[in-house]
Amino acid sequence: DAGVIQSPRHEVTEMGQEVTLRCKPISGHDYLFWYRQTMMRGLELLIYFNNNVPIDDSGMPEDRFSAKMPNASFSTLKIQPSEPRDSAVYFCASSLPGSEQYFGPGTRLTVT
Amino acid sequence: AQSVTQPDIHITVSEGASLELRCNYSYGATPYLFWYVQSPGQGLQLLLKYFSGDTLVQGIKGFEAEFKRSQSSFNLRKPSVHWSDAAEYFCAVTRNQFYFGTGTSLTVIP
Repeated sequence: DAGVIQSPRHEVTEMGQEVTLRCKPISGHDYLFWYRQTMMRGLELLIYFNNNVPIDDSGMPEDRFSAKMPNASFSTLKIQPSEPRDSAVYFCASSLPGSEQYFGPGTRLTVT
Repeated sequence: AQSVTQPDIHITVSEGASLELRCNYSYGATPYLFWYVQSPGQGLQLLLKYFSGDTLVQGIKGFEAEFKRSQSSFNLRKPSVHWSDAAEYFCAVTRNQFYFGTGTSLTVIP
């Protein structure tokens, strides 16, 4: 298996623009997680899905952030409009129930 | 409330020295336990995991961890550290939800 795939690996955008991050989980994994990592706040869970259904989005910072999982092999995290404080590395991870999470390589987002 | 604590934010060891990274958890039942490593600019990689059975777990890269129920701990150890072990280490637990610790940054000096 290719592991968790994220795209793009790097994204530089201007404040106010829409940003879409993409994730392809490992085939067969029921759970998908979106994390954000910064120096100041460490690793934060934003939202997670089970069988394509959002279960807990309490970590989503504000309404500017939204996540979807239209099918078992694809998820997006969208920020609209983006702000400089959204600059971070965003990780996607997937897992089987009650098992370890497998992380993607991350998307480094810079908002200028 | 469930939580994971890594008391040491940063540790520095000499190459060849032994290493122990601490992890304590607070959970109603015995959770599943994990250690991850994150090298600079990389994603998180699973080092080892404990679900049940033998409380001493062997992982990749020469790491091991010991589950101690009485102390609610799952400390990571390595007998001899290599310069390439310099990274961020995360402890995590799950039963129904996944919880990560805040991480311990390891610096290895020659």
